Amino acid sequence: DAGITQSPRHKVTETGTPVTLRCHQTENHRYMYWYRQDPGHGLRLIHYSYGVKDTDKGEVSDGYSVSRSKTEDFLLTLESATSSQTSVYFCAINTGTGPGNTIYFGEGSWLTVV
Amino acid sequence: DAKTTQPPSMDCAEGRAANLPCNHSTISGNEYVYWYRQIHSQGPQYIIHGLKNNETNEMASLIITEDRKSSTLILPHATLRDTAVYYCIVRVASGGYNKLIFGAGTRLAVHP
Repeated sequence: DAGITQSPRHKVTETGTPVTLRCHQTENHRYMYWYRQDPGHGLRLIHYSYGVKDTDKGEVSDGYSVSRSKTEDFLLTLESATSSQTSVYFCAINTGTGPGNTIYFGEGSWLTVV
Repeated sequence: DAKTTQPPSMDCAEGRAANLPCNHSTISGNEYVYWYRQIHSQGPQYIIHGLKNNETNEMASLIITEDRKSSTLILPHATLRDTAVYYCIVRVASGGYNKLIFGAGTRLAVHP
């Protein structure tokens, strides 16, 4: 599991409320990612980070923000949750930057927006 | 990153080898072939990756054709727990910001 912990694992929230998902790693890897997975769309990249305070958008970043104030934590925030953001969210880390580096995933956070 | 093509589903009998094909005809010289799988409700699990040579680890073997336009993931003795969606991905692996782009994958069903 490459030392990845996601929290919360399950959350139900109301439309319009803010939600923050946390990804924590224990191995000080530089690169971290947030994906969402929906039926019919597969896994899609939301945001990624390449260091403390260094983040960039993925393919489905609208409605999401991220922050990385410490190497070990990558936070995904839904400022005002909508029903279309009901999904499973996966955090991932990259174990290196050399050839053949590998990305490992966390176990997921199930978010339901009602 | 190059696009991959996989069959949507496959079946395999328990104890037999499962051979999952992947086409990546537009792969570039510096792109690696990665395989992941996802068992229901779990996060994607890394299986194996390779550049040119065939690779083997405790989970599987990866056979890459000489022209690198296709590859095959081999699970030598499939078990019921290998039932999952298997994703073949090609990506540049130097530079950690290079993300994974997932396709639809192959849904492998292992039956008794």
